[in-house]
Amino acid sequence: EAQVTQNPRYLITVTGKKLTVTCSQNMNHEYMSWYRQDPGLGLRQIYYSMNVEVTDKGDVPEGYKVSRKEKRNFPLILESPSPNQTSLYFCASSLNWRAKEQYFGPGTRLTVT
Amino acid sequence: AQTVTQSQPEMSVQEAETVTLSCTYDTSESNYYLFWYKQPPSRQMILVIRQEAYKQQNATENRFSVNFQKAAKSFSLKISDSQLGDTAMYFCAFISNNAGNMLTFGGGTRLMVKP
Repeated sequence: EAQVTQNPRYLITVTGKKLTVTCSQNMNHEYMSWYRQDPGLGLRQIYYSMNVEVTDKGDVPEGYKVSRKEKRNFPLILESPSPNQTSLYFCASSLNWRAKEQYFGPGTRLTVT
Repeated sequence: AQTVTQSQPEMSVQEAETVTLSCTYDTSESNYYLFWYKQPPSRQMILVIRQEAYKQQNATENRFSVNFQKAAKSFSLKISDSQLGDTAMYFCAFISNNAGNMLTFGGGTRLMVKP
């Protein structure tokens, strides 16, 4: 089954404790991205990747890092999480940057205390 | 930069009736796509319908249809014969055809379908 998977689905952590949220897709997609969802604001893009080893900032990149060492994986790294990063996070992928239909993962609910 | 506005934070409709969700956007581009996504309580983002800006004909997917007014920069979603399973958060989203692949979302409309 073609899908985007994220792990973990739920995470509660404390301020300053480094964490990684994994994202993997099995559709051989070139383009992958991370969004965060906050009430009233919709989803906002954090980082994106056009292909392996090619990443760039989205609208709200502060406090996050990403890497794209393999085509299928695009982890989101919070090196020193803060409470304002409490949010719902989505990974998404598309065939390439021209393919406008994007496939979303199931979401990761992160709480930073 | 593009902006997307959904002016109705919450709406409700009786089962089997019709409801329209509003969306307006602002862009200087002429070539773009618009989407409506549904997010049920499971949180999964589900694509409901898409519209290419160069197409004058309004998109339709079963009970879902849009009213796309390019000059007015308006993109409303009509749900006919509402069903309980339509209860969800609905997001309007914009994507440029020319610059990258970032979706710009509105703030969402929470729709409740009542029995």
